Amino acid sequence: DAGITQSPRHKVTETGTPVTLRCHQTENHRYMYWYRQDPGHGLRLIHYSYGVKDTDKGEVSDGYSVSRSKTEDFLLTLESATSSQTSVYFCAISETGNPYEQYFGPGTRLTVT
Amino acid sequence: QQQVKQSPQSLIVQKGGIPIINCAYENTAFDYFPWYQQFPGKGPALLIAIRPDVSEKKEGRFTISFNKSAKQFSLHIMDSQPGDSATYFCAASSPSNDYKLSFGAGTTVTVRA
Repeated sequence: DAGITQSPRHKVTETGTPVTLRCHQTENHRYMYWYRQDPGHGLRLIHYSYGVKDTDKGEVSDGYSVSRSKTEDFLLTLESATSSQTSVYFCAISETGNPYEQYFGPGTRLTVT
Repeated sequence: QQQVKQSPQSLIVQKGGIPIINCAYENTAFDYFPWYQQFPGKGPALLIAIRPDVSEKKEGRFTISFNKSAKQFSLHIMDSQPGDSATYFCAASSPSNDYKLSFGAGTTVTVRA
């Protein structure tokens, strides 16, 4: 998985609780992305980062925030989890020299009850 | 709405058959069209990609056909094997959109022995 780890790999949480997912890369790549995967929707971009402290919204950013204080770490936070945020979350990275090619981590399965 | 439309949703072929997955797009600014392969419980893996200046690209048993005028592209899996059984996603990207990937909804391919 291209030097990308995600933690936790599985999580069950209750509605209304805050949740933080972590993506860690060892490739020193500039770009990092958070996607969610749901049946019938493919992968949808939540937020992305093009450098430390530089982040922007994707197409489904409502209810999510991100932070990137170091090149290697990109955090996704659900401030108050809802059942509609039950999904599989993937982190991806791409390098400055070839930003087109994105490489994905193993995913985090999140269930909000 | 999805910027890349993918069909069919699923297909089943016999070993040695040629599954064909089709994708269509509207945004003429897209200039990079990758395909990702995903096995259950894993992250998507970049399989093959094409730029609009060529009409076909082959890598092993995987071939992308690209029709710029029709704004369509397709993936062919030649001499398919049971190990090719996976979900396949097409996507599109452009530099004018920060290289963000827009994904199709995915096609689940089953190759029967």
